[in-house]
Amino acid sequence: GQQVMQIPQYQHVQEGEDFTTYCNSSTTLSNIQWYKQRPGGHPVFLIQLVKSGEVKKQKRLTFQFGEAKKNSSLHITATQTTDVGTYFCAGGGYSGGGADGLTFGKGTHLIIQP
Amino acid sequence: KAGVTQTPRYLIKTRGQQVTLSCSPISGHRSVSWYQQTPGQGLQFLFEYFSETQRNKGNFPGRFSGRQFSNSRSEMNVSTLELGDSALYLCASYPFQREFDTQYFGPGTRLTVL
Repeated sequence: GQQVMQIPQYQHVQEGEDFTTYCNSSTTLSNIQWYKQRPGGHPVFLIQLVKSGEVKKQKRLTFQFGEAKKNSSLHITATQTTDVGTYFCAGGGYSGGGADGLTFGKGTHLIIQP
Repeated sequence: KAGVTQTPRYLIKTRGQQVTLSCSPISGHRSVSWYQQTPGQGLQFLFEYFSETQRNKGNFPGRFSGRQFSNSRSEMNVSTLELGDSALYLCASYPFQREFDTQYFGPGTRLTVL
């Protein structure tokens, strides 16, 4: 079945440094979604990428979808303490949508040292 | 609109007991999916419901079951609880109106099995 690998598992950064998490799929994805989960919270949708090579920005966050639609990245510029949390990617397959088409990576835990 | 609500938020059970968790989706959302989140396995898909029908099921034993009602509210049941069932159970709702829906997660039910 479809597998989505996410690296690194943990990332410690100093406040103000940049952060990047990478997501790789074993199969071509129909779309990729990114979620953020704060400690003690639940996953919150950040963005969805659908097109090959797509790049989207949300303030200090930049999301990319690879040309082959098998990988994606999330980059945060100049991290702030509010960025702390776990970032998940979720890859969609080609089963016609619905929840079974989403395979979640195990997440990257971002830890920020002031 | 009000978000996804889940009840109860916290639950403590003993091995062998059964438990029922409830999820009320965002108004107008017709589909609900359930996930189990543990530190070791991450977010794992349990099942998805649409119009009172189970569309998809993840790789979990038959002790895990669910249903959806005509008002889109959903319940999941776990029978004969095991220690390994301790987890955060998340439900997510989505409209099911387009091919790639984003999911809106509820706060989760934290289940502890003693």
